[in-house]
Amino acid sequence: AQKVTQAQTEISVVEKEDVTLDCVYETRDTTYYLFWYKQPPSGELVFLIRRNSFDEQNEISGRYSWNFQKSTSSFNFTITASQVVDSAVYFCALSERQGAQKLVFGQGTRLTINP
Amino acid sequence: EPEVTQTPSHQVTQMGQEVILRCVPISNHLYFYWYRQILGQKVEFLVSFYNNEISEKSEIFDDQFSVERPDGSNFTLKIRSTKLEDSAMYFCASRYTGERTEAFFGQGTRLTVV
Repeated sequence: AQKVTQAQTEISVVEKEDVTLDCVYETRDTTYYLFWYKQPPSGELVFLIRRNSFDEQNEISGRYSWNFQKSTSSFNFTITASQVVDSAVYFCALSERQGAQKLVFGQGTRLTINP
Repeated sequence: EPEVTQTPSHQVTQMGQEVILRCVPISNHLYFYWYRQILGQKVEFLVSFYNNEISEKSEIFDDQFSVERPDGSNFTLKIRSTKLEDSAMYFCASRYTGERTEAFFGQGTRLTVV
């Protein structure tokens, strides 16, 4: 069975600090996909990134970066120089390669950036 | 930019009533999904729909739930007899075919059962 764990329920930092959101996953599939979604206070789910299991290169997009470590089954997300607008709930998710590719979500991490 | 659209944004219904939540997926997408998020909790998969039939469903998706794509553009979730515990945010999502594609979500419908 697939499982995603986000151990950090809430994180609060001061603006401009760097913050890392942890994600650990479990799956028996050899090929799978990992995702991060952002849920701002308005409630929608905003896609941030997809990572394939066979591609362990880290990725950077502006102030966002992702560290995929297959050896530790982790897919962590770092925001550099955080801003108040980054305040949201962030979900890590996993999907299998076959079939419907449904998403299995973690519990989410509520990130609050204080001015 | 194409987006998934859900209506209504908020629905209040009495326990035991039927509700239909509506979604218009992105036009060239072929996989459709419903997810549920009880307030303050994680997002849970309900059902996936492909080629005009259910391809997978979760344990949550019992006989009270049904999905339909009535006209080639809308994708609906029906709850036949709502219960208090059905109160949640319901998200529709769609995905283009192929393995390496991500799902895009609608803004959600908040269902409140009283």
